Amino acid sequence: GAGVSQSPRYKVAKRGQDVALRCDPISGHVSLFWYQQALGQGPEFLTYFQNEAQLDKSGLPSDRFFAERPEGSVSTLKIQRTQQEDSAVYLCASSMAVGNIQYFGAGTRLSVL
Amino acid sequence: QQQVKQSPQSLIVQKGGISIINCAYENTAFDYFPWYQQFPGKGPALLIAIRPDVSEKKEGRFTISFNKSAKQFSLHIMDSQPGDSATYFCAARSDYKLSFGAGTTVTVRA
Repeated sequence: GAGVSQSPRYKVAKRGQDVALRCDPISGHVSLFWYQQALGQGPEFLTYFQNEAQLDKSGLPSDRFFAERPEGSVSTLKIQRTQQEDSAVYLCASSMAVGNIQYFGAGTRLSVL
Repeated sequence: QQQVKQSPQSLIVQKGGISIINCAYENTAFDYFPWYQQFPGKGPALLIAIRPDVSEKKEGRFTISFNKSAKQFSLHIMDSQPGDSATYFCAARSDYKLSFGAGTTVTVRA
């Protein structure tokens, strides 16, 4: 596709449910990033992949958050036992290489009730 | 803690006016300073960016001014148009990691 694609666009979960958010980066982009954007705030870095290798997961807020990119293209962010404070927009970005421009997807808005 | 401080939180400008957004940082390891524009329901899109060895960069109606010694940078939107109504984020990069400001919502009144 032409840009970064994220699905679903909206997700409503009951507290305690597990969720999985998908990111399809721009074809050929080596670097992939996940960010969390709380309402009225700027995006906050969660994790970074170079191809299939997760090189930085320092921004993941707890061990309930897990991300993978097994074949170096599509990535999934999984949140286990969701809590209300997990409600946010989760943005995925990709870049051709580390240090290049990051292109963002439209995000997945997660609401935990 | 927020590594990039952005102000104002919101501003209203008349069509044709100038919008000015300011950002400040502390981390001297930052080596690239982009500005992103975000419309409701969309992801941030790169608008313009500057490196710290340059004091000003202009692209069309958008200008970044950069003051390395003060660790401050700003975005000027000249001749503001209703289509510029959006949220603007300054950011700073160290290695691969972007740190964003909290955002400024700009409303351009016709």
